Amino acid sequence: KQEVTQIPAALSVPEGENLVLNCSFTDSAIYNLQWFRQDPGKGLTSLLLIQSSQREQTSGRLNASLDKSSGRSTLYIAASQPGDSATYLCAVQGGSEKLVFGKGTKLTVNP
Amino acid sequence: GAVVSQHPSWVICKSGTSVKIECRSLDFQATTMFWYRQFPKQSLMLMATSNEGSKATYEQGVEKDKFLINHASLTLSTLTVTSAHPEDSSFYICSARTATQQFFGPGTRLTVL
Repeated sequence: KQEVTQIPAALSVPEGENLVLNCSFTDSAIYNLQWFRQDPGKGLTSLLLIQSSQREQTSGRLNASLDKSSGRSTLYIAASQPGDSATYLCAVQGGSEKLVFGKGTKLTVNP
Repeated sequence: GAVVSQHPSWVICKSGTSVKIECRSLDFQATTMFWYRQFPKQSLMLMATSNEGSKATYEQGVEKDKFLINHASLTLSTLTVTSAHPEDSSFYICSARTATQQFFGPGTRLTVL
């Protein structure tokens, strides 16, 4: 059974700092890995999708890496802003097309 | 990008009543939709996979007679929580799948008194 773990559970940083969020998964036989953003009481916004054959994806100040063999992914946020404050969720998709989510990392960027 | 809507965004009901939540793909057709439940400070947990024109597939531990799913068209899936109880209070999120990825709705906050 696939399990997804995100560390840390919460993170508070000053504005402008670069930061890394971590995601690990137990079964390396994945189809893809996705990072989402969730604002309080809201749905999910997809940030980056990495196919199993890819090593990383970039979008603006966000960079996600994938090391499938070791079961790890990182989300790098450069020059953090208060608007980046949210919960970041990592999810992996196996062959069954089901997404398995981690519990998320709650990020607070202080002005 | 693809847009998925949910209605209502929040609902409060009395224990024992039934509540219907709608999930719509607004600008694309989705043969498959998913229903998730999220408790406070917990991850999203898949409840069921909804396929257009056929019966939904429920995850282990999810009561199919309590959580009725209907996927009557390629743009609409509904989740009905029957005889709701306070422990059913949660955040329900649907997603709709395109050929390449899932797109998520904004969620429905259900509170059962």
